[in-house]
Amino acid sequence: GAVVSQHPSRVICKSGTSVKIECRSLDFQATTMFWYRQFPKKSLMLMATSNEGSKATYEQGVEKDKFLINHASLTLSTLTVTSAHPEDSSFYICSARDGGSQPQHFGDGTRLSIL
Amino acid sequence: GEDVEQSLFLSVREGDSSVINCTYTDSSSTYLYWYKQEPGAGLQLLTYIFSNMDMKQDQRLTVLLNKKDKHLSLRIADTQTGDSAIYFCAETYTGTASKLTFGTGTRLQVTL
Repeated sequence: GAVVSQHPSRVICKSGTSVKIECRSLDFQATTMFWYRQFPKKSLMLMATSNEGSKATYEQGVEKDKFLINHASLTLSTLTVTSAHPEDSSFYICSARDGGSQPQHFGDGTRLSIL
Repeated sequence: GEDVEQSLFLSVREGDSSVINCTYTDSSSTYLYWYKQEPGAGLQLLTYIFSNMDMKQDQRLTVLLNKKDKHLSLRIADTQTGDSAIYFCAETYTGTASKLTFGTGTRLQVTL
């Protein structure tokens, strides 16, 4: 149980393109989803926390207008990287949990490469 | 702020036990987790422990928590080549809306 699916697994696109990444909880309802960014050989950096039906809470230094998060249902959250540039290239990982005391379960990540 | 530290690298021989250590600074931790990350993949939850527990065992995995010293460890018995990965400890703290604070990650290399 507790499977989180993230799609796509890899994206390569030109600078200026907007890219949408989906995160789905397959066998549970995710009241909260999280979006992380991971740089090579580094730990995970939390970007934002998303609760179903409300606006996401962004961490300090993360641009809200650059990284749009939507959590319209209890099983789906999306991250849109708007007008992506090479410096946005990274590994993006989502996680989900179905209650405040429950552990976070992670997707397999999306490798984003902006040319 | 919270600070979670791990050693960067550990090498063990197949069949031996591995012990991965983690230290933290904030004493208000509630849950402590161990995640495994294989190359190019997301994080897999291995096990977790509530902060009022001292030990938890699950098959080959044993978690020890020394709250006085703010030290968490993960022991993997009979380590296999498939255990080669990066291991992250992580914690949630009271008052942080259950956000995870990750350690720096330990790369475990299993040799034949």
